[in-house]
Amino acid sequence: DAKTTQPTSMDCAEGRAANLPCNHSTISGNEYVYWYRQIHSQGPQYIIHGLKNNETNEMASLIITEDRKSSTLILPHATLRDTAVYYCIVRVAFTSYDKVIFGPGTSLSVIP
Amino acid sequence: GAVVSQHPSRVICKSGTSVKIECRSLDFQATTMFWYRQFPKQSLMLMATSNEGSKATYEQGVEKDKFLINHASLTLSTLTVTSAHPEDSSFYICSARDQGGTSGRYEQYFGPGTRLTVT
Repeated sequence: DAKTTQPTSMDCAEGRAANLPCNHSTISGNEYVYWYRQIHSQGPQYIIHGLKNNETNEMASLIITEDRKSSTLILPHATLRDTAVYYCIVRVAFTSYDKVIFGPGTSLSVIP
Repeated sequence: GAVVSQHPSRVICKSGTSVKIECRSLDFQATTMFWYRQFPKQSLMLMATSNEGSKATYEQGVEKDKFLINHASLTLSTLTVTSAHPEDSSFYICSARDQGGTSGRYEQYFGPGTRLTVT
């Protein structure tokens, strides 16, 4: 699987948008960009995924550059409960041989 | 949505004893399940992949005789930490992959984790 690069940590003011970047310059054409987060002492939580197009759901938006070499996860109105480690993962999803491999992620702190 | 449960959520055991952790897919069948380990302030590390009815595949550096994995049914996988020692204290997380169903998706769902403390 392609590797990703994320900042180690970020701060965001409560109520503001949190923009978490991810570089995946070696992504292959059949690989998806997935985002998970892990709140302290809990299991990972799926946030969103995309292939080429920008995606939005009730939790977040995912912006993928046209060349697919980077993406940004946007939490539109961050709350204190969004404090977590966010993992950007590139994977060949929807196959029987796929597995999720986690990198270091970005530790997001939402500040009151 | 698909739910994966783990039992127990936390366990404390004495050094030298064995402890079993269960992982269940509650509303879907999982041909494949995964076990991860997470030490404090570190990321999740994949330990092994198990397929129902066959032997687990362990990642490099993971002792298969110490971490016994059984995937006897499509909804249950167990991880047994044998002869546990304090250095085995960690957060263990399982994940289950659905079989694709009519949508053809093989999505991976995560459990809430089990905190193991070995004294």
